[in-house]
Amino acid sequence: YELTQPPSVSVSPGQTASITCSGDKLGDKYTCWYLQKPGQSPVLVIYEDTKRPSGIPERFSGSISGNTATLTIRGTQAMDAADYYCQAWDSRNVVFGGGTKLTVL
Amino acid sequence: QVQLVQSGAEVKKPGASVNVSCKASGYTFTTYGIGWVRQAPGQGLEYMGWISILNANTNYAQKLQSYALNFQGRVTMTTDTSTTTAYMELRSLRSDDTAVYYCARTANPLVTGFDYWGQGTLVTVSS
Repeated sequence: YELTQPPSVSVSPGQTASITCSGDKLGDKYTCWYLQKPGQSPVLVIYEDTKRPSGIPERFSGSISGNTATLTIRGTQAMDAADYYCQAWDSRNVVFGGGTKLTVL
Repeated sequence: QVQLVQSGAEVKKPGASVNVSCKASGYTFTTYGIGWVRQAPGQGLEYMGWISILNANTNYAQKLQSYALNFQGRVTMTTDTSTTTAYMELRSLRSDDTAVYYCARTANPLVTGFDYWGQGTLVTVSS
């Protein structure tokens, strides 16, 4: 089972960034999203498709449409530059997407 | 506050085993599971498996289960509730097992994901 993410996304500061994650029957599963900055551990930013853990800024949101999940970052800040990974499951096994490098410039 | 503190870096020879520990604090250990995820240098995240603390049920990634000698699984995940510590043993190490190994807390990885992560343990496999 594979989750497909774009390798890279670029966004200007203050604009909206969208990162997609596609997989077979993804709409029937829950998608989580993580960000990871260089040299640091991943951080959960979205779970159950759309829910935000406490402490995660409101500018992070998640959505699902058909077989594509989307992480949206509104008013992107320089500190949001990171690698972003989606995560779902198949046959009760967790699967991660390949990751998307978000560049804020 | 929730904390997961992992053991230090390891250097192992091919064919050896490694045991990584993950000490949990700041929450009721038995009400969550612990998952293990690894990341090879410059690569993405790879799920290894998770263990339910409550009933010790485990779910191991299929990839790791198919690698081993004698068709036995190469990975074993355990916990010690008396010390709130989780352990991950990986056997028959190969050079492509070189990675940072993370433990992470989970209520249910299929639903809520992994909400707190350890700092990572670098395991280097080299002759």
